[in-house]
Amino acid sequence: SQQGEEDPQALSIQEGENATMNCSYKTSINNLQWYRQNSGRGLVHLILIRSNEREKHSGRLRVTLDTSKKSSSLLITASRAADTASYFCATVNAGGTSYGKLTFGQGTILTVHP
Amino acid sequence: DGGITQSPKYLFRKEGQNVTLSCEQNLNHDAMYWYRQDPGQGLRLIYYSQIVNDFQKGDIAEGYSVSREKKESFPLTVTSAQKNPTAFYLCASSTGQYSNQPQHFGDGTRLSIL
Repeated sequence: SQQGEEDPQALSIQEGENATMNCSYKTSINNLQWYRQNSGRGLVHLILIRSNEREKHSGRLRVTLDTSKKSSSLLITASRAADTASYFCATVNAGGTSYGKLTFGQGTILTVHP
Repeated sequence: DGGITQSPKYLFRKEGQNVTLSCEQNLNHDAMYWYRQDPGQGLRLIYYSQIVNDFQKGDIAEGYSVSREKKESFPLTVTSAQKNPTAFYLCASSTGQYSNQPQHFGDGTRLSIL
């Protein structure tokens, strides 16, 4: 089952612009993670934000989490052509014994034009 | 370099045939996962294993089987019972002890029907 819904499905911007992707989910979470996938490759972990955190930064990435709205956003600042990829949010549900079991959204395809 | 190796990169299956996808990791991770990705979709969990000689069904386990005889290896067999096996298969691993750990992915195997 798909926990996350991502918005937009596709995003096209120019180099230097900021890119914002949103993720909504349905159940209480332990943490939310963002991954990047280049075409035909595996996923690369970008950032993890715990349910008791509201904002996290890593380089040009900024992630926010609003547990009251069950939503998260990923902001990529000063985008580069090399940022062109699909971006996925994934959640780990709260409670239970599903250690690290991720449930993925359908992803946002980001295209950055030089 | 530590990482996850999936082989083969491309695989073709004939009707009625079982095929096995290999996944090996040298990250000393306890937990390993198999995902299926269809075009334009997020990842769906097939099977996961938290420890050697133990594994659990994910969301779409029907038509698949796994084994976990060694910590480093988690092969996936796509059986003839899986009627729509054409997809991109991704293997991942994590430390597994805590739910707030990211997953590390291999570069996938693309399976097609002859």
